[in-house]
Amino acid sequence: AQRVTQPEKLLSVFKGAPVELKCNYSYSGSPELFWYVQYSRQRLQLLLRHISRESIKGFTADLNKGETSFHLKKPFAQEEDSAMYYCALGLEGSGAGSYQLTFGKGTKLSVIP
Amino acid sequence: KAGVTQTPRYLIKTRGQQVTLSCSPISGHRSVSWYQQTPGQGLQFLFEYFSETQRNKGNFPGRFSGRQFSNSRSEMNVSTLELGDSALYLCASSLVGQINYGYTFGSGTRLTVV
Repeated sequence: AQRVTQPEKLLSVFKGAPVELKCNYSYSGSPELFWYVQYSRQRLQLLLRHISRESIKGFTADLNKGETSFHLKKPFAQEEDSAMYYCALGLEGSGAGSYQLTFGKGTKLSVIP
Repeated sequence: KAGVTQTPRYLIKTRGQQVTLSCSPISGHRSVSWYQQTPGQGLQFLFEYFSETQRNKGNFPGRFSGRQFSNSRSEMNVSTLELGDSALYLCASSLVGQINYGYTFGSGTRLTVV
């Protein structure tokens, strides 16, 4: 079955330190992967799509098919990065043209001043 | 432009009752999906609607249903509520629901079943 694993529930780092949020997936096909972020008292929002290979707010994520991973990285953490981060796998749904997201359980990132 | 709007923000219902939640997608978005978020199970896909048709359904019992109107607004209904239905219900919209597009989420409706 398709599955997304985020092994750390909580990750605490000091301001200015590098950050790596781990995400591993289980999927036999070609994956579509996303990172979503939820800041305190805000709605869930898209941070990164693997297909766009972009860098948002200094974050990057590289798809490693050999290790089935899509880790989120940032070289220097900022206090405003404190939030809940969810890795998600996009899967084609049963209906033509539809898809659904399978989410990991999330990692709470706490950046210590 | 306005984001995804969900109403009401909070609901308290009694076991056995039914409830209807509403979602207005971003203007022009035709795909609406619903997710349930609980501390134990995390975020789980409920169903997806596109042009008033349910295209995809998650692994939830038949007590969970939904519909989409011609203006793309969507409602989900839960009948015969159980304590375990207490959760944050999130609606997400997308232009056409293509896999390469991310979803835009609403703030959610917090349902408490007592």
